[in-house]
Amino acid sequence: NAGVTQTPKFRILKIGQSMTLQCTQDMNHNYMYWYRQDPGMGLKLIYYSVGAGITDKGEVPNGYNVSRSTTEDFPLRLELAAPSQTSVYFCASSRSSNQPQHFGDGTRLSIL
Amino acid sequence: AQRVTQPEKLLSVFKGAPVELKCNYSYSGSPELFWYVQYSRQRLQLLLRHISRESIKGFTADLNKGETSFHLKKPFAQEEDSAMYYCALKIQGAQKLVFGQGTRLTINP
Repeated sequence: NAGVTQTPKFRILKIGQSMTLQCTQDMNHNYMYWYRQDPGMGLKLIYYSVGAGITDKGEVPNGYNVSRSTTEDFPLRLELAAPSQTSVYFCASSRSSNQPQHFGDGTRLSIL
Repeated sequence: AQRVTQPEKLLSVFKGAPVELKCNYSYSGSPELFWYVQYSRQRLQLLLRHISRESIKGFTADLNKGETSFHLKKPFAQEEDSAMYYCALKIQGAQKLVFGQGTRLTINP
């Protein structure tokens, strides 16, 4: 099992550009999460999903969108990139809310 | 608001010395607490959770509701313990974790 796979690993965007961060998991987990981690800070939840077709906002959803059309995939979309979105983004999944979360390797995103 | 505080961003101890990584939380409900660890060039992974009451890699953590703490301890640090450690709080009935800022632990030879 690959676990949670995130692509790309690194990306540089210009202000105003859009992009999608991909996340896929092969563990048949219902729950999936997107976090961002700013330098010296903890992880902050952007969006999460409790199953295909269901998504909900976390602590810092502004500027992002998500979709969950399948159990495996949970892409994160930035429509108009801003410098404040420069961060490391982590995707995670879990079997249920009470089970440990499994993390991907992260995507380092810079907005210039 | 729920909050997790790890007061030390950096912690450095010598091999063989005891280590304690501090974690304090702010939450009025019944907490569920975790320690996650990220070794160099590896993914963030679960180290232990308080409901398991187990020792993983020699680490233990006891939930102290009176002091709202969940400190991570190991009596004899090893070089392979060098990593980034995150304390996390799960809110009762919620689907998310609240993470602390993390502590970078360095074990000196």
